[in-house]
Amino acid sequence: SQTIHQWPATLVQPVGSPLSLECTVEGTSNPNLYWYRQAAGRGLQLLFYSVGIGQISSEVPQNLSASRPQDRQFILSSKKLLLSDSGFYLCAWSLKSNQPQHFGDGTRLSIL
Amino acid sequence: QQQVKQSPQSLIVQKGGISIINCAYENTAFDYFPWYQQFPGKGPALLIAIRPDVSEKKEGRFTISFNKSAKQFSLHIMDSQPGDSATYFCAAGNTGGFKTIFGAGTRLFVKA
Repeated sequence: SQTIHQWPATLVQPVGSPLSLECTVEGTSNPNLYWYRQAAGRGLQLLFYSVGIGQISSEVPQNLSASRPQDRQFILSSKKLLLSDSGFYLCAWSLKSNQPQHFGDGTRLSIL
Repeated sequence: QQQVKQSPQSLIVQKGGISIINCAYENTAFDYFPWYQQFPGKGPALLIAIRPDVSEKKEGRFTISFNKSAKQFSLHIMDSQPGDSATYFCAAGNTGGFKTIFGAGTRLFVKA
């Protein structure tokens, strides 16, 4: 069966520090991968998606970047975190956009 | 045209009552309409999904009603229970696309 792993579960970082969140998928090949951010009590904001290794599409210009160095690995990064980067970050995968998305348990990022 | 509009934003229902959440879309290319359930601190999980070749799909206490001509679909939760208290997202996707478009979410609270 397919599983998605996302870590860390919680992270507290100072303003201006770098960020690296990792997501890996097991049990499937060539998935579409997604990074979302969710503000408290709000909806899902799509940040990046990838349909293959090295292929990244950005939805919202911002302080973050994404990379897909391997088929089932998706990384969200920042060189210098801002206070506005705080939120709940979710990784997800699907085989096609007309099939279910499967989400990880998220990373709660707090910027101090 | 890519938006999915979801209402209400929040909903309070008595235990045993019916919870109804509505969504509307514009893009007639959408051919997959899932609903996701999210508990606090967790990622969304697929609850039930429908394709436009049927007008209704039922799984246990959860039913999706789909009106293709009106470009609307809704989630009905029968015999609502306190354990159903969560945030619900409708969504839409299409064959050949890469993204799933999510509604803004509905926070459901079922009073015991």
